[in-house]
Amino acid sequence: AQTVTQSQPEMSVQEAETVTLSCTYDTSESDYYLFWYKQPPSRQMILVIRQEAYKQQNATENRFSVNFQKAAKSFSLKISDSQLGDAAMYFCAYRTVYGMDSNYQLIWGAGTKLIIKP
Amino acid sequence: GAVVSQHPSWVICKSGTSVKIECRSLDFQATTMFWYRQFPKQSLMLMATSNEGSKATYEQGVEKDKFLINHASLTLSTLTVTSAHPEDSSFYICSARARRVDTGELFFGEGSRLTVL
Repeated sequence: AQTVTQSQPEMSVQEAETVTLSCTYDTSESDYYLFWYKQPPSRQMILVIRQEAYKQQNATENRFSVNFQKAAKSFSLKISDSQLGDAAMYFCAYRTVYGMDSNYQLIWGAGTKLIIKP
Repeated sequence: GAVVSQHPSWVICKSGTSVKIECRSLDFQATTMFWYRQFPKQSLMLMATSNEGSKATYEQGVEKDKFLINHASLTLSTLTVTSAHPEDSSFYICSARARRVDTGELFFGEGSRLTVL
């Protein structure tokens, strides 16, 4: 079974600086999706960035980028120029590509609370 | 973008009553919907997977008779907490997979906070 591990329960960063959130996963599959979701105090889950395992190029979305290391099964999220609005819980998640509908569930990490210091 | 609407966003009820939470995909057809429960400061715990027109698949340890899930159409799934008790108080979130080309992403509702007195 796949697992996702986020080893940092909490991280803090000064506003405008850069922070990296760690995520490792375990799988025997060769093709899959990886995600970073943000959950602000409103509790609405928001997709931050998505990576397809077959793509070697790291995904980027404006100030958000990932360092995807497939062999190491690592998927870290870098947030540049941190803003107060980035404060939230960040969850790393894994999803298989193929299979039955029940397999399309997301496998979640425990989450990292990101604090932005003004 | 794909929008999932979930309501009520919060509900308070007396112990022993039943509460229904709706999850609607507003601008797409959802082949599969997932229901999660989230405790404070914890990750999401999958409760069940539902497909339109068929019975939901429950995760181990989730009581089927307590948490009734109905996925009557491609745009609506409901979670009914029957005979709710204080230990059922939690944050419940639904998510949906679009029927169109699979991009891998799941789309989330806003969540529903249930408080059972």
